[in-house]
Amino acid sequence: AIRMTQSPSSFSASTGDRVTITCRASQDISSYLAWYQQKPGKAPKLLIYAASSLQSGVPSRFNGSGSGTDFTLTINCLQSEDFATYYCQQYYSYPRTFGQGTKVEVK
Amino acid sequence: EVQLVESGGVLVQPGGSLRLSCVASGFTFNSYRLSWVRQAPGKGLEWVTNMKQDGSEKNYVDSVKGRFTISRDNAKNSLYLQMNSLRAEDTAVYYCARDHYGASDYWGLGTLVTVSS
Repeated sequence: AIRMTQSPSSFSASTGDRVTITCRASQDISSYLAWYQQKPGKAPKLLIYAASSLQSGVPSRFNGSGSGTDFTLTINCLQSEDFATYYCQQYYSYPRTFGQGTKVEVK
Repeated sequence: EVQLVESGGVLVQPGGSLRLSCVASGFTFNSYRLSWVRQAPGKGLEWVTNMKQDGSEKNYVDSVKGRFTISRDNAKNSLYLQMNSLRAEDTAVYYCARDHYGASDYWGLGTLVTVSS
């Protein structure tokens, strides 16, 4: 199975900050990568698919980039509603696998 | 409006069986691959299984192979997960999700399965 490793596991930030989360795949997954946001007690929400395509209805401050094994999710001008846990997921091969998650907390 | 509603989660003893259901609405059900994803309490997301639109292809994570079976009834807009030989480590919220170019664009609210004696 392809292993997905996110960094950092958690960090603190303030509203207005620009934050970056990284995701590394254990092998080349081309651009078959998605990013999700999850808030406590809620289902995950798709933010980005195909590494850099913004899901409909998702604010443009969310940006995904990368290909191959290294990917990033950038949130420009962090808003209060963005404090949550973020997961990457590869869908290049089965089993589809998620990163362990990155929790963005209020500083 | 796309909706996915899971049901069937309960407390079950180790070694027991359970069938989860997911009823969909708001989209053409038989046009989409569907998945089950689970999340153990306080843990991250784990993809479990998915199924092609016509049922011709099913995929599973190794930890559930031979114990879980995914199925669907396109006439009833329903997805199912038959879970046998349940273990404590299967305790989780189980989400039904619609595939969108490989990612999952719509998710249900989830149903909690607790495996404990």
